Amino acid sequence: DVQLVESGGGLVKPGGSLTLSCAASGFTFSGFYMNWARQAPGKGLEWVSSISSSSTYMYSADSVKGRFTISRDNTKNLLFLHMNSLRADDTAVYYCARDRRGYGSYYFDYWGQGTLVTVSS
Amino acid sequence: QSALTQPPSASGSPGQSVTISCTGTSSDVGGYNFVSWYQHHPGKAPKLLIFEVNKRPSGVPDRFSGSKSANTASLTVSGLQAEDEAEYFCSSYAGSNNVVFGGGTKLTVL
Repeated sequence: DVQLVESGGGLVKPGGSLTLSCAASGFTFSGFYMNWARQAPGKGLEWVSSISSSSTYMYSADSVKGRFTISRDNTKNLLFLHMNSLRADDTAVYYCARDRRGYGSYYFDYWGQGTLVTVSS
Repeated sequence: QSALTQPPSASGSPGQSVTISCTGTSSDVGGYNFVSWYQHHPGKAPKLLIFEVNKRPSGVPDRFSGSKSANTASLTVSGLQAEDEAEYFCSSYAGSNNVVFGGGTKLTVL
């Protein structure tokens, strides 16, 4: 079975940094685009960032460009989100999700349960 | 990128049908047949219900169906069951490798 397990969330002060991880299993990780999305308290989902299967292409939402960097380690089946200059409005549950981009479509077919990031002094 | 517009809430009695709308623009929903819908129970992983406007992954009951007209996509849940009570999100490809989501609709089964 496909499994995605996020970790690394926690409480961080404004301006601080945090790195989230997503451990993937049950599929050939190196064959898929991967994403991070987030949901702030009381708000809808927001796509954050995508990375191609071999890390050639990376895309990010305008709201995180220049502050967040997505990366992956295909030897360890891990996806990362490196978050810098964190702001209060980055407070959210962060989800990793597998993407069907690269197979001719655009949708997220598997998601993790999320990890909570709280930015507060 | 602007979020897609969904009604914040919807409701129906067991056995009834409910339709949830998702309105975007010609740059996202109206421009591509890459609309997807997700079901999210609190504390759990979101689950894919519909992809490419009206296709169901294996294992998703045919009570869930999707459609699109111009810039508005819709998810219909027929034969409502108690376990359908959840939040539902739509999503669309928006060009230039961007994806946009809707604000979510909380479905209550009365």
